[in-house]
Amino acid sequence: EAQVTQNPRYLITVTGKKLTVTCSQNMNHEYMSWYRQDPGLGLRQIYYSMNVEVTDKGDVPEGYKVSRKEKRNFPLILESPSPNQTSLYFCASSLRLAGVNEQFFGPGTRLTVL
Amino acid sequence: DAKTTQPTSMDCAEGRAANLPCNHSTISGNEYVYWYRQIHSQGPQYIIHGLKNNETNEMASLIITEDRKSSTLILPHATLRDTAVYYCIVRVAPFYNQGGKLIFGQGTELSVKP
Repeated sequence: EAQVTQNPRYLITVTGKKLTVTCSQNMNHEYMSWYRQDPGLGLRQIYYSMNVEVTDKGDVPEGYKVSRKEKRNFPLILESPSPNQTSLYFCASSLRLAGVNEQFFGPGTRLTVL
Repeated sequence: DAKTTQPTSMDCAEGRAANLPCNHSTISGNEYVYWYRQIHSQGPQYIIHGLKNNETNEMASLIITEDRKSSTLILPHATLRDTAVYYCIVRVAPFYNQGGKLIFGQGTELSVKP
């Protein structure tokens, strides 16, 4: 089944404790992206990647890192999480950046930073 | 990207057609109309997109007015599982200059009732 998976789905952590949220897609997509969703602010893009080893900042990249060493994986790294990073996170992928390709979203990761 | 306006909420009886309007009066010639939906806190799901012709797929139909200033998403036989927030997004393709991000507005909260 074609899908985008994220792990963990739920995470409660404490300020400053490094964490990684994994994202994987099995559709051989070139383009992958991370969003966060907060009440009243909608979905905002954090980082995106057009292909392996090519990443760039979205609208709200502060406090996050990403890597794209393999085509299928695009982990989101929080080196020192803070309470303002408490949010619902979505990973998305599409065949490529160009064109009108639909984006497929993962199920979401609900992160709480205490 | 052109701004979109959607009603905040709508109700629909189960089994009836749900017609969700979207106004995009400032749309330009190279902008597509996309529809996504988000069932409570799940990842957004692509529904359909179009440029100027009406489009239909297994999920829905998209009717775009001749002047392209508005469109309507039609769910022909709404079920309870169609209860979700529906987002109308207008954007140009390709996405090179915008990191491929989708800008989700407030959307329309559709409630399908028995």
